[in-house]
Amino acid sequence: GAGVSQSPSNKVTEKGKDVELRCDPISGHTALYWYRQSLGQGLEFLIYFQGNSAPDKSGLPSDRFSAERTGGSVSTLTIQRTQQEDSAVYLCASSTRLGDNQPQHFGDGTRLSIL
Amino acid sequence: DAKTTQPNSMESNEEEPVHLPCNHSTISGTDYIHWYRQLPSQGPEYVIHGLTSNVNNRMASLAIAEDRKSSTLILHRATLRDAAVYYCILRDPNTGGFKTIFGAGTRLFVKA
Repeated sequence: GAGVSQSPSNKVTEKGKDVELRCDPISGHTALYWYRQSLGQGLEFLIYFQGNSAPDKSGLPSDRFSAERTGGSVSTLTIQRTQQEDSAVYLCASSTRLGDNQPQHFGDGTRLSIL
Repeated sequence: DAKTTQPNSMESNEEEPVHLPCNHSTISGTDYIHWYRQLPSQGPEYVIHGLTSNVNNRMASLAIAEDRKSSTLILHRATLRDAAVYYCILRDPNTGGFKTIFGAGTRLFVKA
């Protein structure tokens, strides 16, 4: 079946602009996760959703970052007033539900470049 | 959250076995050991996971030390397609396991 889909695959924008990144999880997966990966680094956890709820937003780097999920499916990660340090690959993953040991299935990410 | 320690890089010859080590001395009794790998320009891919007993699947084997403070991912016959960054992570399903911490991982180089 279809895997996790992220769009756009690449995004180049000017400093100060807002960007919106989209994640389509695997159908039926109730848990969804966002990570950020800077060049040559490991993954930095940002936020997770169980259904449409994100109980813990402490992993978001600043208040310029926000995320939402609607209909228990698609999620968007929004970065306002982008800065150069926001340049990274943003990865989304989903799993059947929170609290189990099923693997996280990752998309191939959105590569964000801030000029 | 418990952390893991892995070598920065390892090298293997094609068709030979590869043993990728991971230390997790602060592992708790409910943490599962998961392995993922990341090929260039792709998102991480699940490889295997286990709690106490050794595990085998079509991709690899996972050997877990008796005290659970270390584990080893075993690729039985490395191929060029196995060249990737391998991440050893800990997840506690009782706490959702959602704040999964991915370190820098081990970059595996495979020589033809």
